[in-house]
This record gives sequence, C-alpha cells and structure tokens, in this order.
Amino acid sequence: SQQGEEDPQALSIQEGENATMNCSYKTSINNLQWYRQNSGRGLVHLILIRSNEREKHSGRLRVTLDTSKKSSSLLITASRAADTASYFCATGGWEGSRLTFGEGTQLTVNP
Amino acid sequence: EAQVTQNPRYLITVTGKKLTVTCSQNMNHEYMSWYRQDPGLGLRQIYYSMNVEVTDKGDVPEGYKVSRKEKRNFPLILESPSPNQTSLYFCASRERWDRVSLEQYFGPGTRLTVT
Repeated sequence: SQQGEEDPQALSIQEGENATMNCSYKTSINNLQWYRQNSGRGLVHLILIRSNEREKHSGRLRVTLDTSKKSSSLLITASRAADTASYFCATGGWEGSRLTFGEGTQLTVNP
Repeated sequence: EAQVTQNPRYLITVTGKKLTVTCSQNMNHEYMSWYRQDPGLGLRQIYYSMNVEVTDKGDVPEGYKVSRKEKRNFPLILESPSPNQTSLYFCASRERWDRVSLEQYFGPGTRLTVT
C-alpha cells in the first residue's frame, strides 16, 4: 500500500511564484525523500530529510518535516518554467530496505 | 557517467509473448529494484534485489520474474504478458541495501503496451 500521499494532486502557478507541495504518511519513518520526474522520464532525487531533522535547504528547495503530524512539505521558491514536473515524496522505514512512494503532485509553472 | 540503463525504451507486444526488459547499472550498487507507474496509483514496487542471487517480492509481483546473476544487471521477465501489465516501468538502484536513506538512481523508463 502507498505510504505517502501528496497534496495537491496538481498545482499551476506563474513563473516567479513559490510552489508548496505537501506529503502525509501513516507510519513511523527513518527518512523522507523528494524526487522529481519530468514527463515520462525517470525520477531524480532532490533532497532527503531524516526523522530527527525539522528543516532542510538545497538551493531553491526547502523541505520541512513534522513527525508529530506525519507530514512534510516541499517549497520551491522563485519557480521557473523548467520546474514543471511531477514531484514525489518517498518514505523509508526503520526496518527493511523498502522506499515507498506517493502518487505525486503535478506542478505546472507558466511562463 | 554514473547511470542506470534500461532496454527497450518502448515496446508493443501481444498477450502471451514472453519478453524481457533489461536493466544495468555501472555504479557497483548492491540494491536494485523494479517499479511500475500507473495513473492514479503512483509508483509500485514489483521486485527488488539486495545483492547477487538475493531477490524478493515487492507490492505487485504477480506476473513478473526477476534474476540477479551479476551485480550490475537485474532483468525483468514477463513470461506471459497480459494487457493489465501495460505500464511504464522503472529500474532503480542504490549503493547499499540496508541504507534506505541513500539516494535511489532511476533508469529512463520502459513504456510497455500489451495488446
């Protein structure tokens, strides 16, 4: 079963605006990762946040994690048309090797 | 260049005709995995391998087989494909099987259509 659920399913914004995507999960996690997928292509790793971390930055990306609410958010600041893609959260548990993906948020950045 | 390659990228076949999708990685990774991606269902894991000769079922293994005879290769075999296996397939790898926090590297995908 899917662990992560992204919200919203689709998001359309103008270039220069910020984009925020949310991910909720059900069980205790070791880490949470965000991946990006351009249309029909392979996923690319963006950023990882561990369960003992609350916030992490990488360039224009900011990820937060609230383990008490079992949720994470991905903020892309000053978005560009090239950021148009699907964004997936993936959770890693404490046992085993499984990384479980959500269904993704489709982000469209209009020039 | 570090990469995961898959072949073929596109395949149209008929019900019941055995096929193999190859996957190869050049990073000496222990862990390899196959996913299928379907609209509204996200990515679902089919099979994974923790190392050579060690494979196990994921969430949706029915109708698929895998093997891991060499560290770099992890082929996905459909013995008798059916239309419900029409999907976009991804192979992925990561350095260590026991470090779920490590980044996974994905192949470019194989779009399979079974008629």
